[in-house]
Amino acid sequence: KNQVEQSPQSLIILEGKNCTLQCNYTVSPFSNLRWYKQDTGRGPVSLTIMTFSENTKSNGRYTATLDADTKQSSLHITASQLSDSASYICVVSERNYGGATNKLIFGTGTLLAVQP
Amino acid sequence: IAGITQAPTSQILAAGRRMTLRCTQDMRHNAMYWYRQDLGLGLRLIHYSNTAGTTGKGEVPDGYSVSRANTDDFPLTLASAVPSQTSVYFCASRDTDRAGELFFGEGSRLTVL
Repeated sequence: KNQVEQSPQSLIILEGKNCTLQCNYTVSPFSNLRWYKQDTGRGPVSLTIMTFSENTKSNGRYTATLDADTKQSSLHITASQLSDSASYICVVSERNYGGATNKLIFGTGTLLAVQP
Repeated sequence: IAGITQAPTSQILAAGRRMTLRCTQDMRHNAMYWYRQDLGLGLRLIHYSNTAGTTGKGEVPDGYSVSRANTDDFPLTLASAVPSQTSVYFCASRDTDRAGELFFGEGSRLTVL
């Protein structure tokens, strides 16, 4: 069964510190992997997309990595800010060769709290 | 501002009542989705539509129905609400290209008493 697992479930860090969130998946065939940020009471917003051939992609203080061999991705946040407090959701797209829209498999998210 | 609009933002509903959550997008995306989000379970797909005129069942479709009469609108109906349908509901859309980003609405918080 295609699954996406995220760790840790929750994390508390001090403002200015770095942190790394993990995403392991068993989705096959793989199309791409996205990290979404969901602020409290809001809808998720895409941060990065990783395709099979990409190892690293940055978006400001957010850096995502992908190891397609081990089926692992990480999201590294540098110099955290209070506004980084949110849930971070890993979403893996299963490639559909039949022409239909690719199926999306969601992780349950990591809840990050940045404290002053 | 382009995006997805959901209504209502929140609603308290008596069990057994009928309820329709509205979703409208102005990005001309072909695919639209309804998810529910519950603590510890993440986002789960209820129903989807790959293009106007077609719909499909997701992971948790029971008790819900959808329609897609046109590209922009994708309402979700609870025919007879039950307390287990208390949740936050998110509508989303995306282009049907294979790397298409999901765009989410701001959610509708539904409480069924």
